[in-house]
Amino acid sequence: SQKIEQNSEALNIQEGKTATLTCNYTNYSPAYLQWYRQDPGRGPVFLLLIRENEKEKRKERLKVTFDTTLKQSLFHITASQPADSATYLCALAPYDYKLSFGAGTTVTVRA
Amino acid sequence: GAVVSQHPSWVICKSGTSVKIECRSLDFQATTMFWYRQFPKQSLMLMATSNEGSKATYEQGVEKDKFLINHASLTLSTLTVTSAHPEDSSFYICSARDPEGTSGEMVYEQFFGPGTRLTVL
Repeated sequence: SQKIEQNSEALNIQEGKTATLTCNYTNYSPAYLQWYRQDPGRGPVFLLLIRENEKEKRKERLKVTFDTTLKQSLFHITASQPADSATYLCALAPYDYKLSFGAGTTVTVRA
Repeated sequence: GAVVSQHPSWVICKSGTSVKIECRSLDFQATTMFWYRQFPKQSLMLMATSNEGSKATYEQGVEKDKFLINHASLTLSTLTVTSAHPEDSSFYICSARDPEGTSGEMVYEQFFGPGTRLTVL
């Protein structure tokens, strides 16, 4: 069966450091992969999308890599700030727009 | 960016009653909306795809007679939880795509509502 796994442990990092989150998947051939941010009691907010034929994508302090051979995506938050504290979700989809989400990784950035 | 609203933001009801949740796209027309359910510390699980003017498509294991979806207009989809029971207590979230997204990537981006916390006593 299809499975999407994110860092099982919460991530606690010092302000200014880089947070690196992993998203691994099995039995899946996504056309693209997305990363979302979710704050407690709120709906997810879109951050970045990377397509199957792209290796890396950047947006401000965020960087995403996508390795379809390893079936893995890495999500980096550089120069982290306390305001980056949230749960980050990876989501995969074929071309029909239906997203399958991982359970998320909770990041806490200490001042 | 596109905005999706949900109403109510939270609801408490007695077991056996029905609850309706509304999902609206505020500044764009959404031919397709999605309904998710999220239990604490778990991922969002897609329940159904709501298509304007036609029947919803339900994911495997989701009871269509229990979770009634109506997509009556291009900006409104409703989810009705019928004969709710305590195990239906969850966080329900809708999302929508903007098919007129101005860039290639925006076509794939989903805009999520703020969610509705349902508690069934």
